[in-house]
Amino acid sequence: AQSVTQLDSQVPVFEEAPVELRCNYSSSVSVYLFWYVQYPNQGLQLLLKYLSGSTLVKGINGFEAEFNKSQTSFHLRKPSVHISDTAEYFCAVSAFTGGFKTIFGAGTRLFVKA
Amino acid sequence: NAGVMQNPRHLVRRRGQEARLRCSPMKGHSHVYWYRQLPEEGLKFMVYLQKENIIDESGMPKERFSAEFPKEGPSILRIQQVVRGDSAAYFCASSPGTSPLRSGANVLTFGAGSRLTVL
Repeated sequence: AQSVTQLDSQVPVFEEAPVELRCNYSSSVSVYLFWYVQYPNQGLQLLLKYLSGSTLVKGINGFEAEFNKSQTSFHLRKPSVHISDTAEYFCAVSAFTGGFKTIFGAGTRLFVKA
Repeated sequence: NAGVMQNPRHLVRRRGQEARLRCSPMKGHSHVYWYRQLPEEGLKFMVYLQKENIIDESGMPKERFSAEFPKEGPSILRIQQVVRGDSAAYFCASSPGTSPLRSGANVLTFGAGSRLTVL
């Protein structure tokens, strides 16, 4: 079984500052990792994904994440945030066990201040 | 090419009534997932379906909840005899398939959600 832990429930940050949202996972099998973003009253949108290959993954809106197998982490980073980045961010893990089941973390609320 | 369509967007029910939430997957997607999001909480996996087949329902409450994905028509999440604790946003997502050899097979596309309020 897989599990996902997002270490920060809320992250306040000033505009144009860098940000890191932390995510750790556990699984007994190989996993695929994702970050999704949710804006108020909307569904989730895919930010980026790690399926295989390079451990540094670039996504939309200037976000990137690094897969670290030894530390079982998949932290999300952005060098300079904008007000419009204010949203809820979810880390997710998916493993193939006869079918894909995707498990989400509890979410991190990023609040960008002017 | 419409995305994942959920309806109704908002549903109000009184305790004891039934709630039916519908989800039409993205064109070309054959797998549907249902998640529940409670206020200030993350998404909790409920059930994962393929056409006419439930693949994993380990997150479904044992009573009052059921899901189906018929050969024709949308997937339906049904909640019988609703209680106040069922008030939540219910999200549907779809994916192209389950073959691990197919790139993107497990990338989920989400609908906008159905918000259930039980009075």
